[in-house]
Amino acid sequence: EAAVTQSPRNKVTVTGGNVTLSCRQTNSHNYMYWYRQDTGHGLRLIHYSYGAGNLQIGDVPDGYKATRTTQEDFFLLLELASPSQTSLYFCASSDGWGGAEDTQYFGPGTRLLVL
Amino acid sequence: GDSVTQTEGQVALSEEDFLTIHCNYSASGYPALFWYVQYPGEGPQFLFRASRDKEKGSSRGFEATYNKETTSFHLQKASVQESDSAVYYCALGQGGSAKLIFGEGTKLTVSS
Repeated sequence: EAAVTQSPRNKVTVTGGNVTLSCRQTNSHNYMYWYRQDTGHGLRLIHYSYGAGNLQIGDVPDGYKATRTTQEDFFLLLELASPSQTSLYFCASSDGWGGAEDTQYFGPGTRLLVL
Repeated sequence: GDSVTQTEGQVALSEEDFLTIHCNYSASGYPALFWYVQYPGEGPQFLFRASRDKEKGSSRGFEATYNKETTSFHLQKASVQESDSAVYYCALGQGGSAKLIFGEGTKLTVSS
């Protein structure tokens, strides 16, 4: 099974702070994703990428940047963190070529608290 | 746009009870439909999927049948165990898009 790791697992920052969340997958999957999970909203897609240097806009991108530096590594950037970005963040990768049936494999999550 | 609706936010059952979690979707054509499960402290994990009308997906005793007529993909299990306690997500994937659209999730609590 795909291995997706995330760091840090927990992060506390202050309003206006700069935060970088990291994700690495070790199975050479093409697609990688960043989601946020909030009670009452389920999983919402922030950004995704189909390869190094590529970035696609998700459904809730405001306030977030992302960068895919290699096939393995995908970063989520919060340059001016706000309390509304307090959430549980998941990274995922998928084993297909962008088709409807692709299976996504999730990391363990990063819990972010913005004070 | 496409959407997924899970009717129950929370379900509480006893061991050996029958489980149904309702999932309805709104989308054109024939999307792929998924169930994911998330155990406490972990990320969601793929349970199973179905891609065609009347196709049944199944795994670990859970099953769901793709119903194009009623636009549904309800999750069922005949006899739940305490270890099934988790959050269950229904999701939709459309051809030509790498995105999954998730429902809000249903928290299942099974007591012994």
